[in-house]
Amino acid sequence: GESVGLHLPTLSVQEGDNSIINCAYSNSASDYFIWYKQESGKGPQFIIDIRSNMDKRQGQRVTVLLNKTVKHLSLQIAATQPGDSAVYFCAETPPDSWGKLQFGAGTQVVVTP
Amino acid sequence: KAGVTQTPRYLIKTRGQQVTLSCSPISGHRSVSWYQQTPGQGLQFLFEYFSETQRNKGNFPGRFSGRQFSNSRSEMNVSTLELGDSALYLCASSFSGGDGGQPQHFGDGTRLSIL
Repeated sequence: GESVGLHLPTLSVQEGDNSIINCAYSNSASDYFIWYKQESGKGPQFIIDIRSNMDKRQGQRVTVLLNKTVKHLSLQIAATQPGDSAVYFCAETPPDSWGKLQFGAGTQVVVTP
Repeated sequence: KAGVTQTPRYLIKTRGQQVTLSCSPISGHRSVSWYQQTPGQGLQFLFEYFSETQRNKGNFPGRFSGRQFSNSRSEMNVSTLELGDSALYLCASSFSGGDGGQPQHFGDGTRLSIL
């Protein structure tokens, strides 16, 4: 069904540590997944994506892992910086659904000095 | 390359009025999707347009409508505004809007407040 933002979990991370943000997706037939970062007062910003034929993809300081068996995505941020403080959303593309992203509830990441 | 542009950034309306929001996609992108973001419901898909045709629609009442022009710019309209329509309305564009590994890129949204 549609994502419901009933509760926004918070992840507190110390500057310089690695962050891991988890996401459970809903449709086992989804084959494309995206992570977005949303800062206060701005729209979601693309971070990294992954197709279902991959288990892992790396970008600059970020890695996305996909576990299709348990319908789980994770985003790893290396050496977390204060500028990484934001809400992070995972999104999936349901099959045969033009232009529709189905979003998770989001995770608030707070980086402490 | 310019990003997705949404206007206006902020709007205040009263119940019963109608409103039109505008979105200019990234140059070359032909698919435009609209989303509503609220604290209680999160990000929810409204509809998607490609080549001036609505290809997909979310679970919103008919008061929510949209259109796309030949230059790919899009507008959404909400009629007979209700208090519950207060939200951040986001527009996103991509090359084709399909699941072909092309991410959607978002604008910064229009914050609509209903009094």
